[in-house]
Amino acid sequence: KAGVTQTPRYLIKTRGQQVTLSCSPISGHRSVSWYQQTPGQGLQFLFEYFSETQRNKGNFPGRFSGRQFSNSRSEMNVSTLELGDSALYLCASSPVRGALTGELFFGEGSRLTVL
Amino acid sequence: KNQVEQSPQSLIILEGKNCTLQCNYTVSPFSNLRWYKQDTGRGPVSLTIMTFSENTKSNGRYTATLDADTKQSSLHITASQLSDSASYICVVSALGYNKLIFGAGTRLAVHP
Repeated sequence: KAGVTQTPRYLIKTRGQQVTLSCSPISGHRSVSWYQQTPGQGLQFLFEYFSETQRNKGNFPGRFSGRQFSNSRSEMNVSTLELGDSALYLCASSPVRGALTGELFFGEGSRLTVL
Repeated sequence: KNQVEQSPQSLIILEGKNCTLQCNYTVSPFSNLRWYKQDTGRGPVSLTIMTFSENTKSNGRYTATLDADTKQSSLHITASQLSDSASYICVVSALGYNKLIFGAGTRLAVHP
C-alpha cells in the first residue's frame, strides 16, 4: 500500500509570492491534516480536512488555507509569503476516525525556503 | 494555557543501554497522547497512541506510560540501537480545542 505522497519535496520562493503544496493520502483515508515544522516553533497543527470539509484549525493567519478534493487529495496554499514561512510542511492522513482521535501517517514533507 | 513539555531536550546514550524520555502536559481535557519518532529529514512515525484510560502501551522495544492524574507520560527505550537516533515527539490531542498540541521533542543520539 502506497504511503502519503507530498509534492514538491523542495521549493524556493521569494517574499510576497504564493505557494501551493500537494498531498495524496493513503488509499482509503478520508482525513488529511497539515503541519508546519520549524527549528524555533517545532511542529504545529495547521488544519484538518475530512470529506472535503475543514474540520479543525490551528492558530495560523488566514494566509494559510487548504482544500480537499473528492478523491481525498489535499492542497495547502500560503499567500503573501514571509521569511518566517520557511519551514518543513508535513501532511498526514488518517483512517476513518480522523487526526484528533486516529493514528496519523505522515508524508516526507515539502521543504519551503522563502528568500 | 495548553502546553506539552518534554525533557530532556537532548540525550546521548551508548548502544545497548536503556533510556527514558519524559512528557508533561497541561492540556485538559484530552483525548489521547501519542509518541512519534522522527528521523532527520523524514516525516514522523507513530510509536504509540494512548487514551485516557490506558496506563501502558508497548511497541517492540518502546514502552510508553501515561499517568492522567499527574499529567505525565514517559517513553522507555530498551536495549537501544544506533537506528534509535532520532527526535522523539510527544503529542496531545486537545478535546475541547479540536487540535493537536506538540512537544518540542527530545533529540536522542545513540553512540556505538
